[in-house]
Amino acid sequence: DTGVSQNPRHKITKRGQNVTFRCDPISEHNRLYWYRQTLGQGPEFLTYFQNEAQLEKSRLLSDRFSAERPKGSFSTLEIQRTEQGDSAMYLCASSQDTLNYGYTFGSGTRLTVV
Amino acid sequence: GNSVTQMEGPVTLSEEAFLTINCTYTATGYPSLFWYVQYPGEGLQLLLKATKADDKGSNKGFEATYRKETTSFHLEKGSVQVSDSAVYFCALRGTGFQKLVFGTGTRLLVSP
Repeated sequence: DTGVSQNPRHKITKRGQNVTFRCDPISEHNRLYWYRQTLGQGPEFLTYFQNEAQLEKSRLLSDRFSAERPKGSFSTLEIQRTEQGDSAMYLCASSQDTLNYGYTFGSGTRLTVV
Repeated sequence: GNSVTQMEGPVTLSEEAFLTINCTYTATGYPSLFWYVQYPGEGLQLLLKATKADDKGSNKGFEATYRKETTSFHLEKGSVQVSDSAVYFCALRGTGFQKLVFGTGTRLLVSP
């Protein structure tokens, strides 16, 4: 297992376009998380899944954002009608179903909206 | 709600100096506490953790002790190296399967 994989690593898009990111978690991890990180800030929680169920969404996740985790494996995060304020690093993490366990993060997808 | 406060950076040290990065938290119940490190262009890596009061987490020469009486989890290292230059994030996870909440991060710069 090579850890949490995110694709693409970088994405440059024009304002108004739609983008989709993919996250492949560690295979035995049931929980999957999406965070957003802007320059000079800590990661901010967006949403999380337990298996295929999306259990919590942050108010940061506007209706332009949607996340899925079909079959409880990989996950996608789609941003529709991108805005310049969406430019950030999008981080995916996964975790076991064990209390007091930390997350394993992927390397992130850096989105630049021009 | 749960929150984490870290000292602002950058922290600039010479090689072999002693490091302290302060972290305090606000949480209900009995959170677990973590330090993550982020090297340039990379994702976050778990550095160490502590799951109950008075626990000491340690890894790669770094240590942090979970102090419930002062709600703190300060990161220390006795002798830093240039390769320790990175951004360090303190984080907490509330009781049960609550999500990780991060501080704003502290950049460490170590010069030869």
